[in-house]
Amino acid sequence: GQNIDQPTEMTATEGAIVQINCTYQTSGFNGLFWYQQHAGEAPTFLSYNVLDGLEEKGRFSSFLSRSKGYSYLLLKELQMKDSASYLCAPMDSNYQLIWGAGTKLIIKP
Amino acid sequence: GAVVSQHPSWVICKSGTSVKIECRSLDFQATTMFWYRQFPKQSLMLMATSNEGSKATYEQGVEKDKFLINHASLTLSTLTVTSAHPEDSSFYICSARASGLDTGELFFGEGSRLTVL
Repeated sequence: GQNIDQPTEMTATEGAIVQINCTYQTSGFNGLFWYQQHAGEAPTFLSYNVLDGLEEKGRFSSFLSRSKGYSYLLLKELQMKDSASYLCAPMDSNYQLIWGAGTKLIIKP
Repeated sequence: GAVVSQHPSWVICKSGTSVKIECRSLDFQATTMFWYRQFPKQSLMLMATSNEGSKATYEQGVEKDKFLINHASLTLSTLTVTSAHPEDSSFYICSARASGLDTGELFFGEGSRLTVL
């Protein structure tokens, strides 16, 4: 079966760094997306990894290891507005995104 | 970036009535659009894949006669919740991918929050 595993909730301090881990099992693999979703809003795109390694984009970086079925999202210099859910979504062989429940990130002053 | 517009953002209706939600790609053509439903504190659940000019593909457990999907053009897909009941109250979200691309970013609409009284 297809499965996504992320922590349900994480707490971090403003200005700090946090890493959100994601392990996955899918039928085939065509890359992995990270989306940010604020409460009551639709998801917004953060990153897409299809090759192993680290992709850096400003304060956010995403890492992928295909052999391990593992990815992480790294958020630096945390701001209060980063409080949101972060969704790890691998794409299977049918190019369908597989969605987990996401990780709710709480930022404290 | 590409924009997907969803309308209405909020809708309240009486039980037994039907509600139509529109999803438009504003600056690109979308052969395929996706409809999701999300209950509070739960993950996005794919309801159906909408293909322009053909019948939608529904996920297991989703009633196609209750959730009518029409994708009449490359920029518009509609979801109609027929004979809505309180248990249909949810956050409905559409997404689209530019035509000709299987991979790449999914662009999401703003979502439509449906409350059935």
